[in-house]
Amino acid sequence: QVQLQESGPGLVKPSETLSLTCTVSGGSISSYYWSWIRQPPGKGLEWIGYIYYSGSTNYNPSLKSRVTISVDTSKNQFSLKLSSVTAADTAVYYCARRGVVQGTRYYYYYMDVWGKGTTVTVSS
Amino acid sequence: DIQLTQSPSFLSASVGDRVTITCRASQGISSYLAWYQQKPGKAPKLLIYAASTLQSGVPSRFSGSGSGTEFTLTISSLQPEDFATYYCQQLNSYLSTFGQGTKLEIK
Repeated sequence: QVQLQESGPGLVKPSETLSLTCTVSGGSISSYYWSWIRQPPGKGLEWIGYIYYSGSTNYNPSLKSRVTISVDTSKNQFSLKLSSVTAADTAVYYCARRGVVQGTRYYYYYMDVWGKGTTVTVSS
Repeated sequence: DIQLTQSPSFLSASVGDRVTITCRASQGISSYLAWYQQKPGKAPKLLIYAASTLQSGVPSRFSGSGSGTEFTLTISSLQPEDFATYYCQQLNSYLSTFGQGTKLEIK
């Protein structure tokens, strides 16, 4: 059974770069898209971006200028970097797998495996 | 960008009630919609994908319907463990967005 685990610093200073890693265990990182999602305290979910195991990426347009998602297939890991952080970037950060199923005409996507989340606080 | 609006934002109901949550998209998204349940301090859990397909292991009292711009999540008979926050999510090939969430509370 595939499991995901987020890791990284829990405290980041304003204007610095937030860096997190998601380790995939119990399965291969290959043949899937992988995602980062965040949730500010007391608020809803925000999709940050996807990466395919080959390295192609898609980002939330509202964060695109500050986000980089990368993959290391040799370690079965993918990572998030968010630059120039402010207090508004304080959140629980989740990694997730994007699953896919083929319908009669289209492919349908969903996030079926999630990490437990890691809290990142932006503060001096 | 595609926006998703859930209604209501808060819902108070009793065990055994039938409840429906609506998710409206700002433009047509075919059936590219999933529903999640989130309990405090936990990661979201996938309930339904492709608008109406029940994820393996999810109780049959959960159902989803809709296509295009209007979708619903229905819980046919609320159980104590169903009190949580529910999110819809649209996933086309390249981008994704979540609704703002519906918090389901015990009356």
